[in-house]
Amino acid sequence: DTAVSQTPKYLVTQMGNDKSIKCEQNLGHDTMYWYKQDSKKFLKIMFSYNNKELIINETVPNRFSPKSPDKAHLNLHINSLELGDSAVYFCASSQDGTAIWEQYFGPGTRLTVT
Amino acid sequence: AQSVTQLDSHVSVSEGTPVLLRCNYSSSYSPSLFWYVQHPNKGLQLLLKYTSAATLVKGINGFEAEFKKSETSFHLTKPSAHMSDAAEYFCVAPSGTYKYIFGTGTRLKVLA
Repeated sequence: DTAVSQTPKYLVTQMGNDKSIKCEQNLGHDTMYWYKQDSKKFLKIMFSYNNKELIINETVPNRFSPKSPDKAHLNLHINSLELGDSAVYFCASSQDGTAIWEQYFGPGTRLTVT
Repeated sequence: AQSVTQLDSHVSVSEGTPVLLRCNYSSSYSPSLFWYVQHPNKGLQLLLKYTSAATLVKGINGFEAEFKKSETSFHLTKPSAHMSDAAEYFCVAPSGTYKYIFGTGTRLKVLA
Protein backbone atom coordinates (compact mmCIF):
# COMPACT_ATOMS: atom_id res chain seq x y z
CA ASP A 1 0.00 0.00 0.00
CA THR A 2 2.47 2.62 -1.19
CA ALA A 3 1.29 6.06 -0.10
CA VAL A 4 3.26 8.14 -2.63
CA SER A 5 4.68 6.40 -5.67
CA GLN A 6 6.89 7.69 -8.45
CA THR A 7 7.94 6.24 -11.77
CA PRO A 8 10.51 5.67 -13.00
CA LYS A 9 12.97 5.19 -10.15
CA TYR A 10 15.95 5.75 -12.44
CA LEU A 11 16.18 7.78 -15.63
CA VAL A 12 19.32 8.04 -17.73
CA THR A 13 19.13 10.19 -20.83
CA GLN A 14 21.13 12.47 -23.08
CA MET A 15 21.23 16.24 -23.19
CA GLY A 16 18.47 17.75 -25.27
CA ASN A 17 15.97 14.95 -24.71
CA ASP A 18 12.54 15.35 -23.14
CA LYS A 19 11.45 13.15 -20.23
CA SER A 20 8.56 12.78 -17.79
CA ILE A 21 8.25 11.61 -14.21
CA LYS A 22 4.92 10.47 -12.82
CA CYS A 23 3.68 10.71 -9.24
CA GLU A 24 0.59 9.31 -7.55
CA GLN A 25 -0.65 9.51 -3.96
CA ASN A 26 -3.40 7.36 -2.46
CA LEU A 27 -3.72 9.31 0.79
CA GLY A 28 -6.56 11.58 -0.28
CA HIS A 29 -4.36 14.63 0.22
CA ASP A 30 -5.17 17.96 -1.38
CA THR A 31 -1.61 19.24 -1.84
CA MET A 32 1.29 17.84 -3.82
CA TYR A 33 4.86 19.01 -4.36
CA TRP A 34 7.93 18.48 -6.48
CA TYR A 35 11.38 18.82 -4.92
CA LYS A 36 14.86 18.66 -6.39
CA GLN A 37 17.67 17.16 -4.31
CA ASP A 38 21.16 17.98 -5.52
CA SER A 39 24.35 16.00 -5.08
CA LYS A 40 24.97 17.61 -1.69
CA LYS A 41 21.56 16.40 -0.50
CA PHE A 42 20.11 19.91 -0.45
CA LEU A 43 16.34 19.84 -1.01
CA LYS A 44 14.61 22.69 -2.77
CA ILE A 45 10.95 23.03 -3.55
CA MET A 46 10.08 23.41 -7.22
CA PHE A 47 6.29 23.39 -7.36
CA SER A 48 3.28 23.13 -5.07
CA TYR A 49 -0.18 22.18 -6.27
CA ASN A 50 -3.47 22.25 -4.40
CA ASN A 51 -6.46 20.41 -5.85
CA LYS A 52 -4.89 20.42 -9.32
CA GLU A 53 -4.07 24.13 -9.22
CA LEU A 54 -0.52 25.49 -9.31
CA ILE A 55 0.18 27.47 -6.15
CA ILE A 56 3.96 27.80 -5.98
CA ASN A 57 6.43 27.96 -8.86
CA GLU A 58 9.77 28.50 -7.27
CA THR A 59 11.58 30.23 -10.17
CA VAL A 60 12.04 26.98 -12.02
CA PRO A 61 13.05 27.24 -15.71
CA ASN A 62 10.08 26.94 -18.02
CA ARG A 63 11.62 23.77 -19.46
CA PHE A 64 9.99 22.16 -16.43
CA SER A 65 6.23 21.80 -16.79
CA PRO A 66 4.19 20.14 -14.07
CA LYS A 67 0.72 18.83 -14.75
CA SER A 68 -1.92 17.63 -12.34
CA PRO A 69 -4.78 15.78 -14.07
CA ASP A 70 -6.48 15.23 -10.70
CA LYS A 71 -5.54 15.81 -7.10
CA ALA A 72 -4.03 12.34 -6.74
CA HIS A 73 -1.55 12.77 -9.58
CA LEU A 74 1.23 15.25 -10.27
CA ASN A 75 3.53 14.68 -13.21
CA LEU A 76 6.69 16.53 -14.19
CA HIS A 77 7.76 16.96 -17.78
CA ILE A 78 11.20 18.28 -18.59
CA ASN A 79 12.12 19.57 -22.04
CA SER A 80 15.58 19.95 -23.52
CA LEU A 81 17.37 18.30 -20.64
CA GLU A 82 20.65 19.85 -19.48
CA LEU A 83 23.55 18.41 -17.50
CA GLY A 84 22.54 20.55 -14.52
CA ASP A 85 19.17 18.83 -14.35
CA SER A 86 20.89 15.70 -13.01
CA ALA A 87 19.51 15.22 -9.51
CA VAL A 88 17.03 13.20 -7.50
CA TYR A 89 13.47 14.45 -7.88
CA PHE A 90 11.00 13.81 -5.08
CA CYS A 91 7.26 14.03 -5.15
CA ALA A 92 5.44 14.64 -1.86
CA SER A 93 1.94 15.25 -0.60
CA SER A 94 0.29 16.73 2.48
CA GLN A 95 -3.24 16.98 3.81
CA ASP A 96 -3.42 20.57 2.65
CA GLY A 97 -1.12 23.56 2.41
CA THR A 98 -1.42 24.76 5.97
CA ALA A 99 1.74 24.64 8.01
CA ILE A 100 0.69 22.02 10.55
CA TRP A 101 0.71 19.04 8.19
CA GLU A 102 3.64 16.77 7.55
CA GLN A 103 4.60 15.74 4.06
CA TYR A 104 4.73 12.20 2.71
CA PHE A 105 7.50 11.61 0.20
CA GLY A 106 7.83 9.26 -2.73
CA PRO A 107 10.95 7.12 -3.18
CA GLY A 108 12.52 9.57 -5.63
CA THR A 109 13.55 9.50 -9.27
CA ARG A 110 17.28 9.67 -9.94
CA LEU A 111 17.75 11.56 -13.20
CA THR A 112 21.14 11.38 -14.89
CA VAL A 113 21.74 13.53 -17.95
CA THR A 114 24.81 12.65 -20.04
CA ALA B 1 13.23 35.77 5.97
CA GLN B 2 12.64 32.28 7.26
CA SER B 3 15.63 30.01 7.67
CA VAL B 4 16.54 26.64 9.12
CA THR B 5 20.12 26.01 10.19
CA GLN B 6 21.45 22.58 10.97
CA LEU B 7 24.59 23.24 12.89
CA ASP B 8 26.49 20.05 12.02
CA SER B 9 26.83 18.60 8.55
CA HIS B 10 28.25 15.34 9.95
CA VAL B 11 27.88 13.65 13.33
CA SER B 12 29.59 10.42 14.35
CA VAL B 13 28.61 8.44 17.44
CA SER B 14 29.35 4.99 18.74
CA GLU B 15 26.56 2.45 18.87
CA GLY B 16 24.78 2.66 22.22
CA THR B 17 25.77 6.28 22.91
CA PRO B 18 23.44 9.32 22.79
CA VAL B 19 22.66 11.20 19.61
CA LEU B 20 22.25 14.98 19.37
CA LEU B 21 21.46 16.66 16.05
CA ARG B 22 21.09 20.43 16.29
CA CYS B 23 18.63 22.66 14.49
CA ASN B 24 17.98 26.39 14.86
CA TYR B 25 15.17 28.12 13.06
CA SER B 26 14.24 31.65 12.26
CA SER B 27 10.66 32.13 11.30
CA SER B 28 8.03 34.69 11.99
CA TYR B 29 5.51 32.32 10.48
CA SER B 30 6.13 28.86 11.74
CA PRO B 31 3.55 27.25 13.99
CA SER B 32 5.25 23.89 13.38
CA LEU B 33 8.62 22.20 12.93
CA PHE B 34 9.55 18.77 11.60
CA TRP B 35 12.39 16.29 11.54
CA TYR B 36 12.69 13.85 8.64
CA VAL B 37 15.11 10.98 8.07
CA GLN B 38 16.45 9.82 4.71
CA HIS B 39 18.15 6.45 4.48
CA PRO B 40 20.47 5.87 1.50
CA ASN B 41 18.61 5.81 -1.82
CA LYS B 42 15.26 6.25 -0.10
CA GLY B 43 12.64 8.96 0.24
CA LEU B 44 12.21 11.09 3.34
CA GLN B 45 10.26 9.74 6.30
CA LEU B 46 8.75 11.81 9.07
CA LEU B 47 10.43 11.26 12.45
CA LEU B 48 8.41 13.73 14.47
CA LYS B 49 6.65 17.07 14.35
CA TYR B 50 6.00 19.96 16.71
CA THR B 51 2.71 21.81 16.39
CA SER B 52 2.65 23.82 19.65
CA ALA B 53 0.77 21.19 21.66
CA ALA B 54 3.78 20.16 23.77
CA THR B 55 7.36 21.38 23.69
CA LEU B 56 8.83 17.87 24.07
CA VAL B 57 7.86 15.75 21.11
CA LYS B 58 8.35 12.01 20.84
CA GLY B 59 8.81 10.40 17.47
CA ILE B 60 9.46 7.04 15.92
CA ASN B 61 12.42 4.77 16.69
CA GLY B 62 13.11 6.36 20.07
CA PHE B 63 13.83 9.87 18.79
CA GLU B 64 12.56 12.99 20.48
CA ALA B 65 12.98 16.73 20.08
CA GLU B 66 12.45 19.72 22.32
CA PHE B 67 11.13 23.03 21.05
CA LYS B 68 12.82 25.95 22.83
CA LYS B 69 11.37 29.24 21.73
CA SER B 70 13.84 31.33 23.73
CA GLU B 71 16.75 29.64 21.95
CA THR B 72 14.91 29.21 18.61
CA SER B 73 16.06 25.61 18.65
CA PHE B 74 14.54 22.23 17.88
CA HIS B 75 17.30 19.73 18.56
CA LEU B 76 16.81 16.02 17.88
CA THR B 77 17.99 13.47 20.42
CA LYS B 78 18.06 9.74 21.02
CA PRO B 79 19.42 8.12 24.20
CA SER B 80 21.14 5.20 22.49
CA ALA B 81 22.20 5.04 18.85
CA HIS B 82 21.62 1.95 16.77
CA MET B 83 23.44 1.01 13.58
CA SER B 84 20.17 1.38 11.67
CA ASP B 85 20.04 5.09 12.65
CA ALA B 86 22.82 5.89 10.17
CA ALA B 87 21.15 8.22 7.68
CA GLU B 88 20.67 11.84 6.65
CA TYR B 89 18.44 13.94 8.91
CA PHE B 90 16.58 17.09 7.88
CA CYS B 91 15.03 19.79 10.04
CA VAL B 92 12.12 21.47 8.23
CA ALA B 93 9.95 24.51 8.84
CA PRO B 94 7.00 25.93 6.93
CA SER B 95 7.66 29.13 5.06
CA GLY B 96 4.10 30.23 4.54
CA THR B 97 1.34 28.07 3.13
CA TYR B 98 2.24 25.44 0.55
CA LYS B 99 5.96 25.90 1.09
CA TYR B 100 8.59 24.43 3.40
CA ILE B 101 12.25 25.19 3.89
CA PHE B 102 14.73 22.43 4.63
CA GLY B 103 17.93 22.56 6.57
CA THR B 104 21.04 21.43 4.75
CA GLY B 105 20.95 18.05 6.45
CA THR B 106 23.09 16.23 9.02
CA ARG B 107 24.66 12.93 8.11
CA LEU B 108 24.70 10.61 11.12
CA LYS B 109 27.31 7.91 11.19
CA VAL B 110 27.08 5.16 13.82
CA LEU B 111 30.28 3.35 14.66
CA ALA B 112 30.27 -0.27 15.82
